[in-house]
Amino acid sequence: GAVVSQHPSRVICKSGTSVKIECRSLDFQATTMFWYRQFPKQSLMLMATSNEGSKATYEQGVEKDKFLINHASLTLSTLTVTSAHPEDSSFYICSARERDLRSNTGELFFGEGSRLTVL
Amino acid sequence: QQQVKQSPQSLIVQKGGISIINCAYENTAFDYFPWYQQFPGKGPALLIAIRPDVSEKKEGRFTISFNKSAKQFSLHIMDSQPGDSATYFCAASKGGTGRRALTFGSGTRLQVQP
Repeated sequence: GAVVSQHPSRVICKSGTSVKIECRSLDFQATTMFWYRQFPKQSLMLMATSNEGSKATYEQGVEKDKFLINHASLTLSTLTVTSAHPEDSSFYICSARERDLRSNTGELFFGEGSRLTVL
Repeated sequence: QQQVKQSPQSLIVQKGGISIINCAYENTAFDYFPWYQQFPGKGPALLIAIRPDVSEKKEGRFTISFNKSAKQFSLHIMDSQPGDSATYFCAASKGGTGRRALTFGSGTRLQVQP
């Protein structure tokens, strides 16, 4: 099946610094990628929808100036957490949708997630 | 507003037993209902999905039952195994093929005891 790769898988940073997380579709082109955040023992909450070549669409309550999303190519989207604070510590997961459907279900493929810890 | 409600929050099943997880949705525009399995520290992986034009779908030990009138769907895991111990999420989206973003349920932590 299709593979979505996230990097880094774990990152620890100091409060006030910025952290970039990459999401790559390895064997398909993704016109749309979704970024989710998951706190411990909780569900995945959609943060934003990233469309290649255009501005991301953010969900209500998500600060677009804090969580910068760039989708510069059909295989790469990045999430930058700017001026990170301890409350931003979470598990960030991306998912990607294929440009051309190869399966009838139109499956979204998820990355392995990136664990951010802000000290 | 919680659009997809999932229960139970946690579930303990003996090996070989049947695990049943239920979800209910509110938005009648949803037309794609997948179930995901997530192990600690990993991203979710698709288990099985269903569209509202069928009432049941089976893949191996996993079965989705769908009740459109009640706006409910459930996951049945037959012959549950310790390796099935994970968190399970139901989800829903609109757009016919899961192209839109998924709305997830709150998750069910399943523990299968040997």
